[in-house]
Amino acid sequence: IAGITQAPTSQILAAGRRMTLRCTQDMRHNAMYWYRQDLGLGLRLIHYSNTAGTTGKGEVPDGYSVSRANTDDFPLTLASAVPSQTSVYFCASSDSGSGDHNEQFFGPGTRLTVL
Amino acid sequence: GQNIDQPTEMTATEGAIVQINCTYQTSGFNGLFWYQQHAGEAPTFLSYNVLDGLEEKGRFSSFLSRSKGYSYLLLKELQMKDSASYLCAVKDSNYQLIWGAGTKLIIKP
Repeated sequence: IAGITQAPTSQILAAGRRMTLRCTQDMRHNAMYWYRQDLGLGLRLIHYSNTAGTTGKGEVPDGYSVSRANTDDFPLTLASAVPSQTSVYFCASSDSGSGDHNEQFFGPGTRLTVL
Repeated sequence: GQNIDQPTEMTATEGAIVQINCTYQTSGFNGLFWYQQHAGEAPTFLSYNVLDGLEEKGRFSSFLSRSKGYSYLLLKELQMKDSASYLCAVKDSNYQLIWGAGTKLIIKP
């Protein structure tokens, strides 16, 4: 692996179902992030983790949960999907949550459709 | 509230120069980033500014004025492959990135 991988690439999900989006990075970055991207809107932060074992809420956390058991993995779970969660989801990582020039590196994205 | 404004769409000609503007109002400022995003792909990092002035990197340059809450991305010698969305993002007082909606740049031959 080189960089960040996400799975699945795309998914169609029935409303009410539980779904976990997977994200793995091999760059040993401390910080990881989950964003959703919707047409006409900027990337919106769902949850973040500044280091393994810690997580925080972003701008739009409702309906989503995350865990950070180790440095490499940062799964995002939708406990009971709703149609408004139809979006493209990007996972990202950076050297540190704070600091100056810590650019974020993005995974390829997961396109999720909730019907 | 926090706000990042960019034009929704711009059109330019191959070989020309284009300037994409970004204005911001955020709670704190810890740097401004520009990313490029081709359709259906992930954003990729282009530039970072934290001090006022111009940062040049090949055909791409980025300018920042903190007092005006303003930045621009300058693309020279446009190529067809530069057709993409350009995202402006500001790192706020909590060190989180606040993103603009992006500017879709269309390059015509």
